[in-house]
Amino acid sequence: AQSVTQLDSQVPVFEEAPVELRCNYSSSVSVYLFWYVQYPNQGLQLLLKYLSGSTLVKGINGFEAEFNKSQTSFHLRKPSVHISDTAEYFCAVSGGSSNTGKLIFGQGTTLQVKP
Amino acid sequence: EAGVAQSPRYKIIEKRQSVAFWCNPISGHATLYWYQQILGQGPKLLIQFQNNGVVDDSQLPKDRFSAERLKGVDSTLKIQPAKLEDSAVYLCASSITSYNEQFFGPGTRLTVL
Repeated sequence: AQSVTQLDSQVPVFEEAPVELRCNYSSSVSVYLFWYVQYPNQGLQLLLKYLSGSTLVKGINGFEAEFNKSQTSFHLRKPSVHISDTAEYFCAVSGGSSNTGKLIFGQGTTLQVKP
Repeated sequence: EAGVAQSPRYKIIEKRQSVAFWCNPISGHATLYWYQQILGQGPKLLIQFQNNGVVDDSQLPKDRFSAERLKGVDSTLKIQPAKLEDSAVYLCASSITSYNEQFFGPGTRLTVL
């Protein structure tokens, strides 16, 4: 069975500092990986996705993530955060032997950007 | 392009009452998903439709939850009777097919007292 672990429940960071949100997944087969952002009282918005090819994936709002198959990780990074990046971030996986497209989400990481 | 629409946005009911949520996916999207997001957790898939057929409902508590997607467009999710632990945000998502990006609606926040 597939699973996703987000290693930090909260990440406080000062504005303009770099940030990394960590995500590890468990799967015995090839998977697709995603990062979503959720602003208060809103639905989820896709930041970026890894389907195949280059292991460094660039997304919207200056975010990027690196797929590491040997470490089964897909960490999200941004070199300089803004106050507006304060939100909940979810890592998700889909695929596997019974690929129906459903997403399995991690528990979420709250990014708190301080002025 | 209009996004995924959901209503109501908020609902407060007492336990043992019934409630229904409505979702209108993006036009032309064949796949529709209902997720349950309990406070402090990631969303969990309840049911997935491909057109008007069910693809996956393995985590739907079928003794109290039901869902339908008539005519392969709009969908409703019903809870009858509600329990305290059903308090959550119910998210609807749609995609062109099950292999494409999922677009999420704003969700319905349910509070069961």
